[in-house]
Amino acid sequence: EVQLVESGGGLVQPGGSLRLSCIASGFTFSSYEMNWVRQAPGKGLEWVSYISSSGGTRYYAESVEGRFTISRDNAKNSLHLQMNSLRAEDTALYYCARVWGSRSYYYGLDVWGQGTPVTVSS
Amino acid sequence: QSVVAQPPSASGTPGQTVTISCSGSSSNIGSNPVNWYQGLPGTAPKLLIYSNTQRPSGVPARFSGSRSGTSASLAISGLQSEDEAEYYCEVWDGSLNGPVFGGGTKLTVL
Repeated sequence: EVQLVESGGGLVQPGGSLRLSCIASGFTFSSYEMNWVRQAPGKGLEWVSYISSSGGTRYYAESVEGRFTISRDNAKNSLHLQMNSLRAEDTALYYCARVWGSRSYYYGLDVWGQGTPVTVSS
Repeated sequence: QSVVAQPPSASGTPGQTVTISCSGSSSNIGSNPVNWYQGLPGTAPKLLIYSNTQRPSGVPARFSGSRSGTSASLAISGLQSEDEAEYYCEVWDGSLNGPVFGGGTKLTVL
């Protein structure tokens, strides 16, 4: 079964850090580009970050640029999001999602995890 | 506020056809294909339509998509109670180097 499972979310104070992880199974992880997408309480979906299949290309939403770092370990079928200098507005459910196609031939995000919640509050 | 606009809400009665619009710009919808997702409460989003008009395996033919210029639409025919959900359009934005989502449309089946 194709599956993504996130972990690492929790409650953190403003200015703090968290590292999210996403473990992939049921498909050849190293062949797929990946994204992190978040959904704040009562709000819509917001793209956070993209990483190419090799990890050599990374993009970030302006709202997280310079604070978040996306990475992957293809040997361990894992995707990560290091989040530093967290703010209240980063509070959201964070999903990892698989790209169908590629950045050049983008068919959307066809596999999603169940999400891991992040709450930034004092 | 998203650079891709959707109406916040839509509604219809069982059996009706409902259309949800998505409006963007030349840097997103005007130059890249549009995808649609269904978000049911408590579950991860599900890819409903890709490349403007295509349905992934398992998605009923009641769901259809279209694109014209810098706008796109999702149509749901033969509306059913289980279609009550949030619907998002999404498109790769070359100026952002990432996908951009519409704000979402909450569909209510009356």
